[in-house]
Amino acid sequence: DSGVTQTPKHLITATGQRVTLRCSPRSGDLSVYWYQQSLDQGLQFLIQYYNGEERAKGNILERFSAQQFPDLHSELNLSSLELGDSALYFCASSAGQGRFGYTFGSGTRLTVV
Amino acid sequence: DAKTTQPNSMESNEEEPVHLPCNHSTISGTDYIHWYRQLPSQGPEYVIHGLTSNVNNRMASLAIAEDRKSSTLILHRATLRDAAVYYCILSWSGGSNYKLTFGKGTLLTVNP
Repeated sequence: DSGVTQTPKHLITATGQRVTLRCSPRSGDLSVYWYQQSLDQGLQFLIQYYNGEERAKGNILERFSAQQFPDLHSELNLSSLELGDSALYFCASSAGQGRFGYTFGSGTRLTVV
Repeated sequence: DAKTTQPNSMESNEEEPVHLPCNHSTISGTDYIHWYRQLPSQGPEYVIHGLTSNVNNRMASLAIAEDRKSSTLILHRATLRDAAVYYCILSWSGGSNYKLTFGKGTLLTVNP
């Protein structure tokens, strides 16, 4: 157990739907990062939050959004889902700004049918 | 982002040492060198990181070239559980944020 908790572990939904993925960072970590991993794209950085504020944005689609709440847990919202959004979504956390690395969760596998 | 170059795949025998190379010729002075590994359907797992000096921990050793343009992850005695994709990453400082940009990594196969 890495200390980073992601729920749900698996999610199957239909095209056009909206889902929310949840991440609880390791105790004491202020930064949360979201990554998407699909078979042909590898691990792609989506977005980072630090203590409730967005700090960095990567290849995140406009249909996707995220937020970090006062208790530091984060949610990644995916809307108007397409087949190509099927992927593993990982959350990671770090104590500060990530200089010394991240701790990853075990991921949410999203299947869009 | 500063880039790293790794071999696509490597093979090793169980209980033998493994040296996984990584080139990062455009590394900047503030970039840390990180290594992660990922088993199938699992999240990446931190292995080791360093800045200038060689580093050792219970999992592995990291040897960093004097000019910092390359590094080598050393697994002293490979086991079957070490079979994974190994990523060499530079923690890019975009201001005060250290973003980890993953490449394709090296797929390590360990033969019994």
